[in-house]
Amino acid sequence: KAGVTQTPRYLIKTRGQQVTLSCSPISGHRSVSWYQQTPGQGLQFLFEYFSETQRNKGNFPGRFSGRQFSNSRSEMNVSTLELGDSALYLCASSWGLAGRSSYEQYFGPGTRLTVT
Amino acid sequence: AQSVSQHNHHVILSEAASLELGCNYSYGGTVNLFWYVQYPGQHLQLLLKYFSGDPLVKGIKGFEAEFIKSKFSFNLRKPSVQWSDTAEYFCAVNLHGSSNTGKLIFGQGTTLQVKP
Repeated sequence: KAGVTQTPRYLIKTRGQQVTLSCSPISGHRSVSWYQQTPGQGLQFLFEYFSETQRNKGNFPGRFSGRQFSNSRSEMNVSTLELGDSALYLCASSWGLAGRSSYEQYFGPGTRLTVT
Repeated sequence: AQSVSQHNHHVILSEAASLELGCNYSYGGTVNLFWYVQYPGQHLQLLLKYFSGDPLVKGIKGFEAEFIKSKFSFNLRKPSVQWSDTAEYFCAVNLHGSSNTGKLIFGQGTTLQVKP
């Protein structure tokens, strides 16, 4: 089974621009979660999608948004980029419902975003 | 707010030494607990998880962790580390609530360096 894939792997953008990151979950997985990883703040939850619906959202400004398509692929968008948005953005997919013993999030390699 | 604390930010051990990494969380309800590892240049992968039952859980590569509910702790252990265990280790918690969503709250991570 192919793992979680994320595109692009690296991205350089200028402050004020917007960016769209893509995530393809493991085949059969219906839930996709996004995280931001920075040296200062560590791994922080952005949002989770399940069957095209956002189920939970982290404490990030409205410039961060996402969506999920019917094939479970997900995108996240960051508008009006700031220098502080430079980070590794991780996507994770899962099959079952959280809280069950089979639950596990499988992580992709991430997209490294640099804002200049 | 709920949080996860990892006591050691950077640990340096010699091969064959024993390892214990501390993890504490702040949440009074039911939790599921995870330890993830990130090897240099690789993506996050699951070491082990706790959902219910036996508080001592065994994971891959000889790792184990013990859930102590009264101490809100989930410490990771390995009796004898190898150079290949050099990596960053993350403790994560999934909180049980009315929606049981897949939001993981991560600790800041512990960098383990094993000297050959």
